[in-house]
Amino acid sequence: RKEVEQDPGPFNVPEGATVAFNCTYSNSASQSFFWYRQDCRKEPKLLMSVYSSGNEDGRFTAQLNRASQYISLLIRDSKLSDSATYLCVVNGESSYKLIFGSGTRLLVRP
Amino acid sequence: SAVISQKPSRDICQRGTSLTIQCQVDSQVTMMFWYRQQPGQSLTLIATANQGSEATYESGFVIDKFPISRPNLTFSTLTVSNLSPEDSSIYLCSVNYGPVSGNTIYFGEGSWLTVV
Repeated sequence: RKEVEQDPGPFNVPEGATVAFNCTYSNSASQSFFWYRQDCRKEPKLLMSVYSSGNEDGRFTAQLNRASQYISLLIRDSKLSDSATYLCVVNGESSYKLIFGSGTRLLVRP
Repeated sequence: SAVISQKPSRDICQRGTSLTIQCQVDSQVTMMFWYRQQPGQSLTLIATANQGSEATYESGFVIDKFPISRPNLTFSTLTVSNLSPEDSSIYLCSVNYGPVSGNTIYFGEGSWLTVV
């Protein structure tokens, strides 16, 4: 089993749609959780951290379920510029070692 | 966030040669990390570069193939030695800003290596 698993997609949605990405992780001791965004041929960039209580940043909402070892990202009112690969990231055996999921590709069409 | 500069941004190298990638950060950081992203794959940590001591390598990566230098708190190099086509990847330098940033990793723009 992979340490961090994501649906690879692609998710192909129209502008304005709401889309949800899911991620599961295997290490129950993990304490840090993130969503990164990676545009084609670019480096990953932090989208948001994920907190136990859930957190929201504009159109983006992240949720964490520790019992199920499950993380989600919800994007509301999708924009064309949201088209990218979204990486679920969890810390590994130490707080500084991050394990990346393989990413979920999102395509937002006009 | 940090400003992390990598060079070269891309290169095409002959098999059997080596490529050294430089990473410069605009502020002092304790830990610097080197990742690899092979085509169509996610990121894999190669090693952690510690100032004043040898790098710590992850399983599957060895110093002979990926020697790392960390001469000070703002700079590191990664060398990919004895290149083969399987080494064609993006190599990414990253830093962690520690507890203030909640263990958030920031990346350089990456070095795109093609081995022919």
